[in-house]
Amino acid sequence: EVQLVESGGGLIQPGGSLRLSCAASGLTVSSNQMIWVRQAPGKGLEWVSLISIPGTTYHADSVKGRFTISRDNSKNTVFLQMSALRAEDTAVYYCARAYGGSYYIDYWGQGNLVTVSP
Amino acid sequence: SYVLTQSPSVSVAPGKTARITCGGHIIGSKSVHWYQQKAGQAPVLVIHYDTDRPSGIPERFSGSNSGNMATLTIDRVEAGDEADYYCQVWDSSSDVVFGGGTKLTVL
Repeated sequence: EVQLVESGGGLIQPGGSLRLSCAASGLTVSSNQMIWVRQAPGKGLEWVSLISIPGTTYHADSVKGRFTISRDNSKNTVFLQMSALRAEDTAVYYCARAYGGSYYIDYWGQGNLVTVSP
Repeated sequence: SYVLTQSPSVSVAPGKTARITCGGHIIGSKSVHWYQQKAGQAPVLVIHYDTDRPSGIPERFSGSNSGNMATLTIDRVEAGDEADYYCQVWDSSSDVVFGGGTKLTVL
């Protein structure tokens, strides 16, 4: 059974930094395309960042230069380093597996709330 | 950037058919995926590659995609189908793109 468990969220002040972790079991992160998707309160889903199997990273324009996706193969964990946080980054962040060339998402974590507020 | 357009809401009586649409420029040339998200839960994949149902998804859920519109169809709607539904594609200029979501209300 695949499980993705996020941690590291919480309340942070604008301009601050936070690192989300996503510990995987039942799949190997280095052999899969891993993605972060966020959902602001009462809003829709928004793609944030993706790391490919070779390790190439991609980021949405809204977070480019501020967020970085990475992975630790030895810990089978994916990370999202977030810096220069803004109020509009407030959201539930989901870690997930994106499969195939069109990146459908078949495994999702439970979500982790990040609140950016003074 | 590539944009997917969904109607904000759809209402249907139990036992009837719900159709949720997702509009995009020549979306028929792309693979469309659909997710169901119930209140307070993570999304669940219900259709991938336009028409394919993952294991465990009822046959009542089906998809189609042609021209500028993709459609998720739910036959014999049940109260438990009440949720938000999102379409998603991959676009070479925009990467992963989600529609704005459609709230399905079962009357």
